[in-house]
Amino acid sequence: GNSVTQMEGPVTLSEEAFLTINCTYTATGYPSLFWYVQYPGEGLQLLLKATKADDKGSNKGFEATYRKETTSFHLEKGSVQVSDSAVYFCALRTNSGGYQKVTFGTGTKLQVIP
Amino acid sequence: DVKVTQSSRYLVKRTGEKVFLECVQDMDHENMFWYRQDPGLGLRLIYFSYDVKMKEKGDIPEGYSVSREKKERFSLILESASTNQTSMYLCASSPPDRVRGELFFGEGSRLTVL
Repeated sequence: GNSVTQMEGPVTLSEEAFLTINCTYTATGYPSLFWYVQYPGEGLQLLLKATKADDKGSNKGFEATYRKETTSFHLEKGSVQVSDSAVYFCALRTNSGGYQKVTFGTGTKLQVIP
Repeated sequence: DVKVTQSSRYLVKRTGEKVFLECVQDMDHENMFWYRQDPGLGLRLIYFSYDVKMKEKGDIPEGYSVSREKKERFSLILESASTNQTSMYLCASSPPDRVRGELFFGEGSRLTVL
């Protein structure tokens, strides 16, 4: 079956530090890959996505590249801000049994301190 | 903007009570989903629906049922609430599978069963 593995948190960084959150996956077929972000007290919202190998998704200074050879979709940001403190979920979407199934990782909590 | 609205942000119920969680989306999406979110477990799919009156079991359907009588509304029902159903419940919707698009989430309903 499909699965998504994320690095465990929490991750604590100082403001302006470089961020990497690792995500690897196993899937049948050709999945689309997503990063969602959940700010405190809110639901999830899409941060970025990539639909095929070597695509790079980017938004709000975050980037992730779809690496089929390493089955990875690591999230990076060059300089984090306090406002980036949130939980980040890696996810994939692919066909499974005739419908598109979405699989989420367990989430990585990021705390950015001033 | 896409809006997914969950009727209750916080609920407290007693063991054995019947609980209804309502979700409405305004983007005419075919697909709707119910997830529960628990610390360390990420998001787990309870049920999803790809059309009116159509539903499919997710990964953890036991103890839950759903209803989709209208395209915009997807209800999650706990027939007899138990303490192990204390959790955050997230509703989501998405365009048709052929689009392979992202999910749009509501803000969540935090249920406590005493």
